[in-house]
Amino acid sequence: GENVEQHPSTLSVQEGDSAVIKCTYSDSASNYFPWYKQELGKGPQLIIDIRSNVGEKKDQRIAVTLNKTAKHFSLHITETQPEDSAVYFCAASISSSNTGKLIFGQGTTLQVKP
Amino acid sequence: KAGVTQTPRYLIKTRGQQVTLSCSPISGHRSVSWYQQTPGQGLQFLFEYFSETQRNKGNFPGRFSGRQFSNSRSEMNVSTLELGDSALYLCASSLRISYNEQFFGPGTRLTVL
Repeated sequence: GENVEQHPSTLSVQEGDSAVIKCTYSDSASNYFPWYKQELGKGPQLIIDIRSNVGEKKDQRIAVTLNKTAKHFSLHITETQPEDSAVYFCAASISSSNTGKLIFGQGTTLQVKP
Repeated sequence: KAGVTQTPRYLIKTRGQQVTLSCSPISGHRSVSWYQQTPGQGLQFLFEYFSETQRNKGNFPGRFSGRQFSNSRSEMNVSTLELGDSALYLCASSLRISYNEQFFGPGTRLTVL
């Protein structure tokens, strides 16, 4: 069935370093890939997304890359700051007129040390 | 523009009881999805609604049900609560079912004793 694998489960970096989180999806029909940031006591916040017709997307310090052939996508955070510390989730979805269901990875706890 | 709101934020119930959770989507959004979040299983899809119709359902027992009203607000119900139903229940809204950008509310923390 549909599955999204996310690695690593925990990631610790020094402030100013880069962080990379990787996800692999199983369903080749997936065509929408969002990333969410969840802080303690809050719901997931959409931070960036990419569709299958695009290989890379960037928004300030955050970028996402997609390799459809290998069925994996990655989140890149540059110049990390302590406020980037949170749990990050990747997800995959098959965009259609009938569903927007998201399949989530297991999450990565990112710690940015000052 | 106000975000997704969920009520109540916290709930404590005992086994065998039932519970109803409420979600108000972002104004203008017509699709609502529900997810269960637990430390062991992560974020799992429960169901999604559009135009008052359930369009998709996840692999949860029939004790989990939901509905959507004409104003797009949604409720989910869990009957005969079990200890394993303790979780954060998240609601997400999007413009329409095929418009994938989903925005989550803060969730309802359900504890079953």
